[in-house]
Amino acid sequence: DADVTQTPRNRITKTGKRIMLECSQTKGHDRMYWYRQDPGLGLRLIYYSFDVKDINKGEISDGYSVSRQAQAKFSLSLESAIPNQTALYFCATSGETGPQHFGDGTRLSIL
Amino acid sequence: AQKITQTQPGMFVQEKEAVTLDCTYDTSDPSYGLFWYKQPSSGEMIFLIYQGSYDQQNATEGRYSLNFQKARKSANLVISASQLGDSAMYFCAMRDYLMNYGGSQGNLIFGKGTKLSVKP
Repeated sequence: DADVTQTPRNRITKTGKRIMLECSQTKGHDRMYWYRQDPGLGLRLIYYSFDVKDINKGEISDGYSVSRQAQAKFSLSLESAIPNQTALYFCATSGETGPQHFGDGTRLSIL
Repeated sequence: AQKITQTQPGMFVQEKEAVTLDCTYDTSDPSYGLFWYKQPSSGEMIFLIYQGSYDQQNATEGRYSLNFQKARKSANLVISASQLGDSAMYFCAMRDYLMNYGGSQGNLIFGKGTKLSVKP
């Protein structure tokens, strides 16, 4: 089983819909992250959480919200999706140092 | 501010040859980590190799090695004996461990990536 699991893997939806992307991890890490990737760009940080009671905005948080339901679970919501939120979304986890470990990504298309 | 620069948008290499992917970084933090990730066309982000700022020796992981030149602030990835399966996007990334830029201490920042194509 994957250490970091994202669901769904692919999603097509319409403008204005509410969408939730879910992430769970079995690595026992306290820190979790959500990124988006657009063609030709690197990854940009949306939100991050250093523990269950700690939520922080990243570089591009407008239009997104998150929930840290447990140490192992971190979900990302788009309250009212718009086409420019079409992207590849990644969840990641890490310890205080060392690498971040990524899920396989969610391809989100908003029509 | 922190910054990662990858100046090669695309690279070609012949199968079985070695290739170097460039990465330069900028930080004021004395304690940081440098990372390389591979992203194949299927989309997942695969961690390849890690170098800590205080590590005396260059990191190696199988066919991957990291040429760390601290004074020049460079962290180039060397892939030896390239294989067709090495064709992918490669991202250089950095985490600062001590300094806190607006509360983002410890977060990973990425370069824009280099697309490597291995020719048979």
